[in-house]
Amino acid sequence: LAKTTQPISMDSYEGQEVNITCSHNNIATNDYITWYQQFPSQGPRFIIQGYKTKVTNEVASLFIPADRKSSTLSLPRVSLSDTAVYYCLVGDHSSNTGKLIFGQGTTLQVKP
Amino acid sequence: DVKVTQSSRYLVKRTGEKVFLECVQDMDHENMFWYRQDPGLGLRLIYFSYDVKMKEKGDIPEGYSVSREKKERFSLILESASTNQTSMYLCASSLLYSGQGFFGPGTRLTVL
Repeated sequence: LAKTTQPISMDSYEGQEVNITCSHNNIATNDYITWYQQFPSQGPRFIIQGYKTKVTNEVASLFIPADRKSSTLSLPRVSLSDTAVYYCLVGDHSSNTGKLIFGQGTTLQVKP
Repeated sequence: DVKVTQSSRYLVKRTGEKVFLECVQDMDHENMFWYRQDPGLGLRLIYFSYDVKMKEKGDIPEGYSVSREKKERFSLILESASTNQTSMYLCASSLLYSGQGFFGPGTRLTVL
């Protein structure tokens, strides 16, 4: 499984766009990139998943450059309720192991 | 909605007791996971199962065992609880090839 590196923490203000970058230099051809969000005292929640280029849903966008060695989770116009830990996972979900391995994550603090 | 339920939100046990943590999912997912989460250490995978009666060790299996007799149920067993197993325990499930995990609410276990 490819190792991921994310910033430990980030601060932002309400209404701003937040971009969290994850490095995964050893990503393999069959690996997908998945992001989760975790609020205090809750389990992580799936946000978005992608393989290449750009993926967008109602919550976030995921940008993946051509070399796929990094990815950026973009949260538009954050609010106080977006304060959470964000995890980047990289894995080959086409295999039958399907393990979900979490790194340390990025703690996002949104301020008023 | 996918639902992953865990048998208890809070549990207090004595050192040396045998502890059972139960997890049930209602979405016919092949994969099920047990994690523990501790401050500063993130989410660590204890065991993973990709089918009934199949299991794989995660990063920290020592002191734990698991049982998966039915597809929807995955049990974590602490054979002889110790104080260093005081933690938040999270169960998750996912489809075999998706990488999109769904988490339960967690069980906060205290071992005295």
